Amino acid sequence: SSELTQDPAVSVALGQTVRITCQGDSLRSYYASWYQQKPGQAPVLVIYGKNNRPSGIPDRFSGSSSGNTASLTITGAQAEDEADYYCNSRDSSGNFWVFGGGTKLTVL
Amino acid sequence: EVQLVESGGGLVKPGGSLRLSCAASGFTFSSYSMNWVRQAPGKGLEWVSSISSSSSYIYYADSVKGRFTISRDNAKNSLYLQMNSLRAEDTAVYYCARDLGIYDAFDIWGQGTMVTVSS
Repeated sequence: SSELTQDPAVSVALGQTVRITCQGDSLRSYYASWYQQKPGQAPVLVIYGKNNRPSGIPDRFSGSSSGNTASLTITGAQAEDEADYYCNSRDSSGNFWVFGGGTKLTVL
Repeated sequence: EVQLVESGGGLVKPGGSLRLSCAASGFTFSSYSMNWVRQAPGKGLEWVSSISSSSSYIYYADSVKGRFTISRDNAKNSLYLQMNSLRAEDTAVYYCARDLGIYDAFDIWGQGTMVTVSS
């Protein structure tokens, strides 16, 4: 089975840049997608594919990938970006899906 | 408005059964693969099951295989999850999510329905 590994918690000063990473063997074959989840709410897709943002997602969110690591970068973090962030991709077989354990982002 | 609305959650005893529904609106439901994703209290997201647009391809996480059955009715724009032999560890919020297809992402999520398995 495949796994995606994320740091449990990351913090960033207001207005600064933060990178949240996701590691896993399946990322060598598939792009990661990234989801933002605030308390009591459903997840929201923020990045998918090579570096695509759904309509309504601010352009301070961007994605990148290298080898077995995918990254979500928030350039100029805002207070409203404080949330849990999850990465997701297909597993190595391509038939199943796997989520990372999530990263709790604190904006100081 | 593109929308997914889950229903059917509740309290059930261990060993019991429950059927979740997800009503889709605002898009051509029959063109998209769909998924169930769950989140145990205070925990992360866990993919549960997926079904292709015509129900030809169905997959389950190992944790639910043999106990859960995913299905859909394209005429009713609805997705279902039949859950049997429920265990305490199945306690979670269950979300339905639309598969974005070639972009490998879940772009639309419902608000979730809570399933509690307890005696």
